[in-house]
Amino acid sequence: DVKVTQSSRYLVKRTGEKVFLECVQDMDHENMFWYRQDPGLGLRLIYFSYDVKMKEKGDIPEGYSVSREKKERFSLILESASTNQTSMYLCASSIVGSWGTEAFFGQGTRLTVV
Amino acid sequence: AQKVTQAQTEISVVEKEDVTLDCVYETRDTTYYLFWYKQPPSGELVFLIRRNSFDEQNEISGRYSWNFQKSTSSFNFTITASQVVDSAVYFCALSERATGGSYIPTFGRGTSLIVHP
Repeated sequence: DVKVTQSSRYLVKRTGEKVFLECVQDMDHENMFWYRQDPGLGLRLIYFSYDVKMKEKGDIPEGYSVSREKKERFSLILESASTNQTSMYLCASSIVGSWGTEAFFGQGTRLTVV
Repeated sequence: AQKVTQAQTEISVVEKEDVTLDCVYETRDTTYYLFWYKQPPSGELVFLIRRNSFDEQNEISGRYSWNFQKSTSSFNFTITASQVVDSAVYFCALSERATGGSYIPTFGRGTSLIVHP
């Protein structure tokens, strides 16, 4: 089974802190994604990566950065956390293919910024 | 404009009722993919089905069925004889080709289905 693991299920951070959300997948997938989920807004793409050291902005990249130094790991970084970044963060991975395969998701990290 | 529209925010039914979740999408690509995911209260999104733009054949899997119509840009999902365990948020997603040959899923806002005993 594909496994996407996010390092924390729940996080509480203070405003202005630098926050790292870690995601690891074990299926050798090329693509990795970070989404943010808010009530009534669905999932919105923050960043995605299609290869090591490659990254592309999604729909809402402001206030975030990412790092992909190894194929299996994709980190989301909040340089200076703010209360409006309180949300559920979902990591996903998929393979690159002409058949547009489905994304596999981690369990999510619920981040609260106080 | 949203690329994926799920007009139903919340649906409430009684067990054993049939329920249809609507999804309308927008794309200019000729090759694309459509998905349905289920998010139970535990939070992890579970993949249910994938359809590519060249395959309009409808599918039935147990109590689930999907109706894909390119003419109306719709990909609707029906649960027959609903059960309490079907209670979840359901997301429709559209994948279009992007950088590096990857297909990037864009999600609708989700439909919360509540099945009462």
